[in-house]
Amino acid sequence: GENVEQHPSTLSVQEGDSAVIKCTYSDSASNYFPWYKQELGKRPQLIIDIRSNVGEKKDQRIAVTLNKTAKHFSLHITETQPEDSAVYFCAASIEAAGNKLTFGGGTRVLVKP
Amino acid sequence: DTAVSQTPKYLVTQMGNDKSIKCEQNLGHDTMYWYKQDSKKFLKIMFSYNNKELIINETVPNRFSPKSPDKAHLNLHINSLELGDSAVYFCASSRVLAPAYEQYFGPGTRLTVT
Repeated sequence: GENVEQHPSTLSVQEGDSAVIKCTYSDSASNYFPWYKQELGKRPQLIIDIRSNVGEKKDQRIAVTLNKTAKHFSLHITETQPEDSAVYFCAASIEAAGNKLTFGGGTRVLVKP
Repeated sequence: DTAVSQTPKYLVTQMGNDKSIKCEQNLGHDTMYWYKQDSKKFLKIMFSYNNKELIINETVPNRFSPKSPDKAHLNLHINSLELGDSAVYFCASSRVLAPAYEQYFGPGTRLTVT
């Protein structure tokens, strides 16, 4: 089955700096890659997603890149703010296989003011 | 208006008991899911239903039994609870199976087995 690895497990950045989280996946058939943000004690919420026919997607301060050949994708957060502090999860799924999301282990991001 | 709701929010019980968690979504979605998040924050899918039909059934002990009475509801019943069942259980829903759409998560149910 699919295996998703996520690095780093923790990330501390100064407010205003950029943060980058990287994920690799094992199943070349995976074609949907969402990123979820989970604040302490809250539910995971989608922040951005990308499909395999696109190499990059951007939404304000957040961007995701996908390298299908290398089977890795990354989340980039620019101009980080204290409210970006949370746990971020990458995931992968095969759309034709029931949209089963396999999550990475999560990255705890701390933005220091 | 709550999109995906779960009850109860907290559940503390003893080993060997049977308990249920209920989930409801008012988004008109066709697909619902149960996830388990363990103490290390690892999120893993357990079950998925599409139009009341079970489509994903991961390697979960058969003490866990999901039930979907209709498209808007997905319940999780757990028999003979064990210490290792302690976790946060999230229900989620999405519009359709494919193409993949955002999965909306409920607030979670924190289960503590003593």
